[in-house]
Amino acid sequence: EIVLTQSPATLSLSPGERATLSCRASQSVWSYLMWYQQKPGQAPRLLIYDTSNRAAGIPARFSGSGSGTDFTLTISSLEPEDFAVYYCQQRYQWPPLTFGGGTKVEI
Amino acid sequence: EVQLLESGGGLAQPGGSLRLSCAASGFSFSSFAMTWVRQAPGQGLEWVSSITASGGSTYYTNSVKGRFTISRDNSKNTLYLQVISLRAEDTAIYYCAKGPIATDPYYFEYWGQGTVVTVSS
Repeated sequence: EIVLTQSPATLSLSPGERATLSCRASQSVWSYLMWYQQKPGQAPRLLIYDTSNRAAGIPARFSGSGSGTDFTLTISSLEPEDFAVYYCQQRYQWPPLTFGGGTKVEI
Repeated sequence: EVQLLESGGGLAQPGGSLRLSCAASGFSFSSFAMTWVRQAPGQGLEWVSSITASGGSTYYTNSVKGRFTISRDNSKNTLYLQVISLRAEDTAIYYCAKGPIATDPYYFEYWGQGTVVTVSS
């Protein structure tokens, strides 16, 4: 099973700042890494698929990069609605499909 | 507009059973793999089970094998999860989610709002 480790657990930033979230895989997942956003009381929402492809309707301030075992989600300038929990997920080796433990971006 | 509406959750005793449903609309349900993902209270996301578009292949996380059964009725645009022998650790919000293609779940483009399963005596 591929384990995904996200860091930091919590990121404290202000609106307008740049957010950089990390996801590290226990073995290579090539480029098959996704990012989701979850706000309190809501279902997750797909942001990025296969490392760097934005899902439909996702603003350009969200971008993904990386390959192999190290991946990054960058939010170029935080908007108030971006404060949420972010999860990474891999699809390279499954079952099981696995998620990281999440990074909370807080004000 | 893609919509996924889960139902069937509730309070069950340890060892009990439930049948979760997910009614889909706004897309060609029979053309896409579907998945159940759960989230225990205050915890992260956990993939539970997936089924291909035809229903011909199913996949489960180890902790639910033999206890959970995923199925679908493409004529009714509905996904199911039959859960038996429930344990306290199955307590979670259960989300259904749509995959991007027919043959593999890969990732989750759309999610329902979830149905809550609570296992307690």
